[in-house]
Formats: sequence, structure tokens, C-alpha cells
Amino acid sequence: DIQMTQSPSSVSASVGDRVTITCRASQGINRWLAWYQQKPGRAPNLLIYAASSLQSGVPSRFSGSGFGTDFALTISSLQPEDSATYYCQQAESFPITFGQGTRLEIK
Amino acid sequence: QVQLQESGPGLVKPSETLSLTCTVSGASITSSSWSWFRQSPGKGLEWIDYAGYSGSTSPNPSLKSRLSISVDTSKNQFSLMLNSVTAADTAVYYCARRCPCDRGFFDYWGQGALVTVSS
Repeated sequence: DIQMTQSPSSVSASVGDRVTITCRASQGINRWLAWYQQKPGRAPNLLIYAASSLQSGVPSRFSGSGFGTDFALTISSLQPEDSATYYCQQAESFPITFGQGTRLEIK
Repeated sequence: QVQLQESGPGLVKPSETLSLTCTVSGASITSSSWSWFRQSPGKGLEWIDYAGYSGSTSPNPSLKSRLSISVDTSKNQFSLMLNSVTAADTAVYYCARRCPCDRGFFDYWGQGALVTVSS
């Protein structure tokens, strides 16, 4: 299985800050990576797919980058509603696997 | 608007079979690929399988021997059965649609169904 490792495991930032979360795959996954946002008691919500493509309806302050083994999710200007846990997911090979999550808290 | 809804017992006894159904509305089940996931505090988000017309297509090896998947196109539903459950199978189970945007990504999810394995 491909292991996905996110860092940091938690981050606290202020409204308006730029926040970056990283995800590293245990082997190359080309661009087959997605980012999801999950709020308590809710299902994951697709933000970014294929490493850098913004899912329809997702605010443009979210962006993704990377290829191969190293990826990043950036929120350009943090908003209060961005408080959530963020997960990366690889789709290069089965079984599909997720990172352990990064909890984002608004100061 | 595509909507998915999981249904099934919330409590299952150890060694018995967990059964869940996902009902899809707003899209034909024949128009996309559909999947099951689960999430537990101990193991995070975990892929279970795709639901194909012939059943299980890409099962997680850790669950493959206990897993059965079926699709009912007449009801626009697909189902999951996991046998010989233990406390480790306690989780929130989600069904989801594979995004037509690209492979292996999931754009619509059900609200989740909590299944507890306990006697």
C-alpha cells in the first residue's frame, strides 16, 4: 500500500493568514492526489483533484501543487469557515489511501 | 443535485454481518462509479471498495475475504456486506460517487452511517 504522510498534524492560524499543508507519498503517484476538507459530523468534501485542479464550487483561495511524491495544499487567505480537518488521498493504485489528517484551527 | 443516503442497522453483534445500503438520487447508478469508505478514530479514512455490476471490483485487501458488494439498478442502490465483524469494524461508513472529473477522486458523499459492533 502507498503510505500518505501529512504535516503538520495540527496548525493554528489567524484569519487572513496564508496556510500550507503538505502531503508526502511513500512512492511516486504522478498527479493522482486529492485534498478533502472535513468538518465535525460531516462527510469529506472534495477541494482539489489531480494535485492542482480546483473542484467546482470551491473558493479560489484554495490551491494545490506538487507531483510525484510531494504535494501541498495552500489556503491563501484563511477564513473562519476554513476551520476543519484536511486530508490528502492518493488514487495512483489500489487500495486508495489517505493521509492521517491535518487539523486547522482558527486563532 | 446528486444525493447519497446510507441506511442499515447501527448496532451489530460481534461475529455477525454488517449490512448497509446506499440509495442514490439525482443520478442514475449506471452513469458513474460508486464506492464505500469508512472512518474510525483509530484508523482514519479507509477505502473499502468500488461497487460494480458484478459486485466487488477493487476491494481493500485487508477486508477482501469478508466483503460482499452488490448493485440494484432497479432501485438505484448499492450495498455492502461485511461478515465476521469485530469491534475493529466500528466506524462511520460512507458511500460516495467517483468524480467524473478524473480517476479515483470522490465528489459526492453520503452523510455517513455510524455502525457500532458490540454485544
